[in-house]
Amino acid sequence: ETGVTQTPRHLVMGMTNKKSLKCEQHLGHNAMYWYKQSAKKPLELMFVYNFKEQTENNSVPSRFSPECPNSSHLFLHLHTLQPEDSALYLCASSQDSTPGTSGEETQYFGPGTRLLVL
Amino acid sequence: AQSVTQPDIHITVSEGASLELRCNYSYGATPYLFWYVQSPGQGLQLLLKYFSGDTLVQGIKGFEAEFKRSQSSFNLRKPSVHWSDAAEYFCASNDYKLSFGAGTTVTVRA
Repeated sequence: ETGVTQTPRHLVMGMTNKKSLKCEQHLGHNAMYWYKQSAKKPLELMFVYNFKEQTENNSVPSRFSPECPNSSHLFLHLHTLQPEDSALYLCASSQDSTPGTSGEETQYFGPGTRLLVL
Repeated sequence: AQSVTQPDIHITVSEGASLELRCNYSYGATPYLFWYVQSPGQGLQLLLKYFSGDTLVQGIKGFEAEFKRSQSSFNLRKPSVHWSDAAEYFCASNDYKLSFGAGTTVTVRA
């Protein structure tokens, strides 16, 4: 499936590095999401963008900085991360993020970026 | 607040046998319900979804799920599993945001 792509697929970084994760969706959707998936924990929603505007920040530390230049692209800028930030970071998109829109909020996920912070 | 519970952390099933994964949700009104599958090293793939109407929903890869309001359940089933069905399965509900269960890992033995 190529509807939602993420790069890089794997990333190893030191705690002082700055890196960025990229997500691109080819589905014509208007909403995009960042999730964090850690071992043995449920998926954690981090950020939601709808029509390029951030609509949710789920108490995410400021060392994670999202950017949504247009409805097709979403970035997650990383700086001074901690080892506990090591996880699989998943991007998703949907037609709309507004609940009750009869299926338009169905989310489609990318393959994820496996991040290891040393 | 909505929540989703998947009571089984791990299920092992023989190839060709039937599979049922349990999902319970807690929410007053009827939520939107989803099942996703995640193969090792991959993202989540949507198997099926329920919004309204027929309570038995057909999905991809031969999966189906049945919404039972009286039991607040949305269990996933497959009549005959294949080795390629070994993966982690997530139930999710969407009220104002998508909430996931903790997942059930399925192992398929030959």
